[in-house]
Amino acid sequence: GNSVTQMEGPVTLSEEAFLTINCTYTATGYPSLFWYVQYPGEGLQLLLKATKADDKGSNKGFEATYRKETTSFHLEKGSVQVSDSAVYFCALSAVGGATNKLIFGTGTLLAVQP
Amino acid sequence: KAGVTQTPRYLIKTRGQQVTLSCSPISGHRSVSWYQQTPGQGLQFLFEYFSETQRNKGNFPGRFSGRQFSNSRSEMNVSTLELGDSALYLCASSQTGDSGEAFFGQGTRLTVV
Repeated sequence: GNSVTQMEGPVTLSEEAFLTINCTYTATGYPSLFWYVQYPGEGLQLLLKATKADDKGSNKGFEATYRKETTSFHLEKGSVQVSDSAVYFCALSAVGGATNKLIFGTGTLLAVQP
Repeated sequence: KAGVTQTPRYLIKTRGQQVTLSCSPISGHRSVSWYQQTPGQGLQFLFEYFSETQRNKGNFPGRFSGRQFSNSRSEMNVSTLELGDSALYLCASSQTGDSGEAFFGQGTRLTVV
């Protein structure tokens, strides 16, 4: 079946450090891939997406590239800020039939220290 | 454009009671999905509605049900509440039928005591 695996957190970084959060997926077919971010006490916000192989999604300095050969969609940012502290979820769209169902990874807590 | 609105934001219920949560999607969005978020199980898909029809359902007991109205607003109902139903319930709306791109509300925090 379809599934998403994320690196365990928490990830603790100093401000301006480089960020990588690993995400790999298992899916039949060609799902769309997403990164969502959740700030404390809030719902999820779409951070970026990629809909086909080799696509690069980017937003607010974050980037992720859809790698079909390694079934990965790692999230990166060159210089993190304290305001980036949140939980990050990798997700894929379920494939097969008309649906907007998303399958999420377990989430990775990022804590950025000043 | 207004975002996804969920009401209420917080609820406290007693075991055995039932509860109804409401979700108003982004204007023009016809698809509404519901998710349950808990520390132990993470984000789990409950069900999806599109044009008033349930077209996908997750692996939850029949105590969990939902519906969608002609204006795309959706409600979910949980009957005979159990302590384990305590969670953040998130609603997401999507513009198209199958893109997977979803916009989430802030959620309803349900506590069962």
